[in-house]
Amino acid sequence: GAGVSQSPRYKVAKRGQDVALRCDPISGHVSLFWYQQALGQGPEFLTYFQNEAQLDKSGLPSDRFFAERPEGSVSTLKIQRTQQEDSAVYLCASSLGVSAGYTFGSGTRLTVV
Amino acid sequence: GDSVTQMEGPVTLSEEAFLTINCTYTATGYPSLFWYVQYPGEGLQLLLKATKADDKGSNKGFEATYRKETTSFHLEKGSVQVSDSAVYFCALTSNTGNQFYFGTGTSLTVIP
Repeated sequence: GAGVSQSPRYKVAKRGQDVALRCDPISGHVSLFWYQQALGQGPEFLTYFQNEAQLDKSGLPSDRFFAERPEGSVSTLKIQRTQQEDSAVYLCASSLGVSAGYTFGSGTRLTVV
Repeated sequence: GDSVTQMEGPVTLSEEAFLTINCTYTATGYPSLFWYVQYPGEGLQLLLKATKADDKGSNKGFEATYRKETTSFHLEKGSVQVSDSAVYFCALTSNTGNQFYFGTGTSLTVIP
């Protein structure tokens, strides 16, 4: 597609629920990133894929967070047993490679109540 | 580790005023530096970038110069418009470019 598409745009989850956030990167983009942006803060790195390989997951805050990109295209960020501190905007970005530009999606705003 | 510190907001300016948003960084090696803009309800958009020392990035009247001696990448615009109202993020990537390090963002409001 023309841009990075994320869905849903908004998600309200009850504490303890599992959620799945989807990212459709720009077609052909090898690199895919997930970021978490808390209210009033800058985005913070969660994880990075190159094709289907998850090369860096050092930013995932706990083992309740899991990301996958099984076919090297669409990626899903899953959060198990959501907690209030998980409330944030989750941003996805994709890129052709290390030296290319990054394009961010509009994000998914997750609110845990 | 790598990090970015940017001027806290919010910043309120009158239309046609001069804008400076300060940004300094800490990094090993030779990072690339970026300014991103986030309009209300939208995702991050790349505003400008510089990949080596003394490079000047520019776009839509905004400029920033990569200063290695002062580890800074301050954003400037000579005459702001109401449409420039947004949140501005300074960011860097390491040599590998595997992740961005963002500042906390500076909210700019331009009033007519």
